[in-house]
Amino acid sequence: DAGVTQSPTHLIKTRGQQVTLRCSPKSGHDTVSWYQQALGQGPQFIFQYYEEEERQRGNFPDRFSGHQFPNYSSELNVNALLLGDSALYLCASSSLGGDPSTDTQYFGPGTRLTVL
Amino acid sequence: ELKVEQNPLFLSMQEGKNYTIYCNYSTTSDRLYWYRQDPGKSLESLFVLLSNGAVKQEGRLMASLDTKARLSTLHITAAVHDLSATYFCAGSGGSNYKLTFGKGTLLTVNP
Repeated sequence: DAGVTQSPTHLIKTRGQQVTLRCSPKSGHDTVSWYQQALGQGPQFIFQYYEEEERQRGNFPDRFSGHQFPNYSSELNVNALLLGDSALYLCASSSLGGDPSTDTQYFGPGTRLTVL
Repeated sequence: ELKVEQNPLFLSMQEGKNYTIYCNYSTTSDRLYWYRQDPGKSLESLFVLLSNGAVKQEGRLMASLDTKARLSTLHITAAVHDLSATYFCAGSGGSNYKLTFGKGTLLTVNP
């Protein structure tokens, strides 16, 4: 059973460029959340997708957008990159209706984005 | 808005010793999570705590939740080097809701 997968692993961009990151959720999961983790910090919630719609959004500018496909996979797009966007971007998947005592968000390996 | 604070942020331990990491949260949180992160790696789920008085144990790690005090603890017993990692606690309204993380505790276990 494959876990959460993300691509690419690493990415180097320059200021002003645009980037797309991809995520495939764990089998059986229908909800995808995206987090940004700056060096030495805890992950910060960007947004969450369920049934192809943005369900919740954190305190991130509109430059950050996303999409969820019918197969539950998701993309995170960032426009007009800034140096401060350099971070590890984590995708997490989850599902409604699971056993609450074990239900959690499962994280992918992340995409390391460097903006020069 | 939920805020989560961990302390200490840095913890250097000797092998064989016991210690506790504390996680305070500001408002009602439906559940409390503990995750482990190794350097350059993703987050690994350790525990999910749902109710007041909940206690879960896995190996040398034990997590507990006191919802009245808005406090969760992660207790480390007889630390070994393999436990060296960053530990995060996070609160949320449920697994399908956003997680709010603390800043993490960088644990180093020395021989």
